[in-house]
Amino acid sequence: QSVLTQPPSASGTPGQRVTISCSGSSSNIGSFYVSWYQQLPGTAPKLLIYRNDRRPSGVPERFSGSKSGTSASLAISGLRSEDEAEYYCAAWDDSLSVLFGGGTKVTVL
Amino acid sequence: EVQLVESGGGVVQPGGSLRLSCAASGFTFHNYAIHWVRQAPGKGLEWVSLISGDGDITYYGNSVRGRFTVSRDNSKNSVYLQMDSLTTEDTAFYYCAKGGEPGFSWDYFDYWGQGTLVTVSS
Repeated sequence: QSVLTQPPSASGTPGQRVTISCSGSSSNIGSFYVSWYQQLPGTAPKLLIYRNDRRPSGVPERFSGSKSGTSASLAISGLRSEDEAEYYCAAWDDSLSVLFGGGTKVTVL
Repeated sequence: EVQLVESGGGVVQPGGSLRLSCAASGFTFHNYAIHWVRQAPGKGLEWVSLISGDGDITYYGNSVRGRFTVSRDNSKNSVYLQMDSLTTEDTAFYYCAKGGEPGFSWDYFDYWGQGTLVTVSS
């Protein structure tokens, strides 16, 4: 099983907008929903975005998701120091499994 | 409040077995699939397995298929992961996670446990 492709790192200064990409194929992102998870150091992952662009209650509007074809993106606007974390995309795959991206570490400069 | 609590992790020798448990509360347990996701120290997330709410459907990742078996006891609000023929590659934190939608939709997880560490070492 191949993972979904994410950049290993992204960074920005406080207040900036940061975008993380997630690239897949027609058997996963191209056919199914994408979700995003935030993992702060030493903690369990937390759902950030589900069904491509929906935010669970309690997740700030600064976080937004989108999908086009076989790729998806997570945008963080108004970057804050507490956003420094690892971010993972995920999608169901035709192989009857869930695929994760390799993770993107976001650094707030 | 939804809670998922994993237990059963520990140190095991290569070739050995271990059984993890995931105790759930705060939601209608039998309506939701439960997933297992693991994370090797310092590495990314890897999906391991899922079991449907009624226990009739199970899926596994390629790296564990044939060695791991997932089951659930809805009378105890618990899910189990039996891990056999363990190798050093199975060393990881193991998280159980609740499926986000009731029924047969498995594309996201809305609640995660705190994880339990499995170390395979001689």
